[in-house]
Amino acid sequence: DAGVTQSPTHLIKTRGQQVTLRCSPKSGHDTVSWYQQALGQGPQFIFQYYEEEERQRGNFPDRFSGHQFPNYSSELNVNALLLGDSALYLCASSLVDSSYEQYFGPGTRLTVT
Amino acid sequence: ILNVEQSPQSLHVQEGDSTNFTCSFPSSNFYALHWYRWETAKSPEALFVMTLNGDEKKKGRISATLNTKEGYSYLYIKGSQPEDSATYLCAFIYNQGGKLIFGQGTELSVKP
Repeated sequence: DAGVTQSPTHLIKTRGQQVTLRCSPKSGHDTVSWYQQALGQGPQFIFQYYEEEERQRGNFPDRFSGHQFPNYSSELNVNALLLGDSALYLCASSLVDSSYEQYFGPGTRLTVT
Repeated sequence: ILNVEQSPQSLHVQEGDSTNFTCSFPSSNFYALHWYRWETAKSPEALFVMTLNGDEKKKGRISATLNTKEGYSYLYIKGSQPEDSATYLCAFIYNQGGKLIFGQGTELSVKP
């Protein structure tokens, strides 16, 4: 079992550009959540996908969008990048409505210059 | 606004010391509390999922307690080892299937 995988590991983009981050969930999991961790803070919830639909959303602007595919993998897209979007982006997978722990990937480090 | 606070922010101890951290969360609308251990350059790893007031969980030298009525959880590490060095995160969930609301973490450094 490969666990949760994310790609790419690191990414450098210029302000105003667009970026796509990818996540493959743990085998058997159907729900993917995305979190942003800025320096010195705990991870902040961006949104959660289940059955290819956005199920919950945190306090992030519409520049942040996502997608879930039939194989449960997911993408996070950020448009019109700002310097403040520089952060570690974590993907977590779980079973829908489960109280069990979420399984996290190693994250994608995004730097916006 | 739901706020989760962890203290201390960082902790430096000697090998063999026992230590504990605190996680404070809203005492209303509680569903679950998670503890995660996050080593540098690795994925956050779940330690405990706690759902009932008075819950006590243990994994090796690490244990945790939960008080949902007053809104806090303690994580204890007995006889700290250098390999315990990591950031310890707690996350609060207020409804089934809900998002994790994280604290800012406690960074533990254990010196040999």
